[in-house]
Amino acid sequence: DAMVIQNPRYQVTQFGKPVTLSCSQTLNHNVMYWYQQKSSQAPKLLFHYYDKDFNNEADTPDNFQSRRPNTSFCFLDIRSPGLGDAAMYLCATSRAPERQETQYFGPGTRLLVL
Amino acid sequence: DQQVKQNSPSLSVQEGRISILNCDYTNSMFDYFLWYKKYPAEGPTFLISISSIKDKNEDGRFTVFLNKSAKHLSLHIVPSQPGDSAVYFCAASAGTGFQKLVFGTGTRLLVSP
Repeated sequence: DAMVIQNPRYQVTQFGKPVTLSCSQTLNHNVMYWYQQKSSQAPKLLFHYYDKDFNNEADTPDNFQSRRPNTSFCFLDIRSPGLGDAAMYLCATSRAPERQETQYFGPGTRLLVL
Repeated sequence: DQQVKQNSPSLSVQEGRISILNCDYTNSMFDYFLWYKKYPAEGPTFLISISSIKDKNEDGRFTVFLNKSAKHLSLHIVPSQPGDSAVYFCAASAGTGFQKLVFGTGTRLLVSP
């Protein structure tokens, strides 16, 4: 089945220690998104890639970076995680960025910062 | 500043009855609205959407109603089934082009047999 895969499902890191979350897709979609969802809050878009074009949301902290080496993979790098970065990180894909294109979500990676 | 609000964190309904999930928004530029459903340990999945040029969209047991003047939308599930038990997210977007989704905090629906 075509799908969006996120590894690992749970990630524990130490305060200030860089961490990378990964997302892969078998849908061959052009757009990949990263969302952050803190406890009891709404998912919030951090950035997205449209093919190789990176689009950062204005309020995404500089601490968060992303890489998309090819169509299938996208990585979320947190350079110096703080306690406030503990959250569920959701990856999503869509065929195109237009609103009528459905976004398909992965199961998420829950990040714990000690 | 939460532009999309789901004020009921949870809702319990009996099987066979109607479930009504509500969503309010504050940004008058929003003109496209979606509902996503999320089961535990899975990502959200798209359920139904509505454009602001409509006030109702129906797909099987699921109907979304939009009241633009009140900046309010609702999702009706009739009849509710135990398999509908999940967290439901309301989302909205504005304008054409890139679809940035602004989500609500979700409502957990529990449908009991």
